[in-house]
Amino acid sequence: NAGVMQNPRHLVRRRGQEARLRCSPMKGHSHVYWYRQLPEEGLKFMVYLQKENIIDESGMPKERFSAEFPKEGPSILRIQQVVRGDSAAYFCASSPPATAEEQPQHFGDGTRLSIL
Amino acid sequence: AQSVAQPEDQVNVAEGNPLTVKCTYSVSGNPYLFWYVQYPNRGLQFLLKYITGDNLVKGSYGFEAEFNKSQTSFHLKKPSALVSDSALYFCAVRRSSNTGKLIFGQGTTLQVKP
Repeated sequence: NAGVMQNPRHLVRRRGQEARLRCSPMKGHSHVYWYRQLPEEGLKFMVYLQKENIIDESGMPKERFSAEFPKEGPSILRIQQVVRGDSAAYFCASSPPATAEEQPQHFGDGTRLSIL
Repeated sequence: AQSVAQPEDQVNVAEGNPLTVKCTYSVSGNPYLFWYVQYPNRGLQFLLKYITGDNLVKGSYGFEAEFNKSQTSFHLKKPSALVSDSALYFCAVRRSSNTGKLIFGQGTTLQVKP
């Protein structure tokens, strides 16, 4: 059973470009979470999605950032007009639907975004 | 507001000695508590969780943690450390009634020396 798959593992963008990060949850998991890890810091929650729905986006910056989890295909975290401060590791996690709050979240290996 | 504190940036132990990585939390309502480990350039791996029941929970790779409600702590322990346990450890909390967001501590680097 494949784990949470994130791609690309490394992404380099110039200031002002767009970054798209993809996440395929574990098989059978319908809950997806995105977290950001800045250097020397812990993980900070960004957004929680279920299929076609954003459940909690309280950690998302108000501008330039968006997330989706369509009926078919991976979840996408999109950052428009990137700035140097967006450089970080972005982690996706997934959990199964049944009593989701009790289930551990399973993490992918992350996408390391570098902004030139 | 929910928060997690890991008071030690780094813990150093000798191989074969017991280890403790400390975690305290603040959350309204009943907490769901988790420990994760992160190796360099990898994602977080789940070690163990406390939801309800016995205060001592056992997890992967010989790790265990003790939930102490009065001290609002959830310290990670292992009776005999291995060099391969050297990694970054994160404690996380979720409110039992919330939507799924995990609140993480800053992380503690564990160094096990031969």
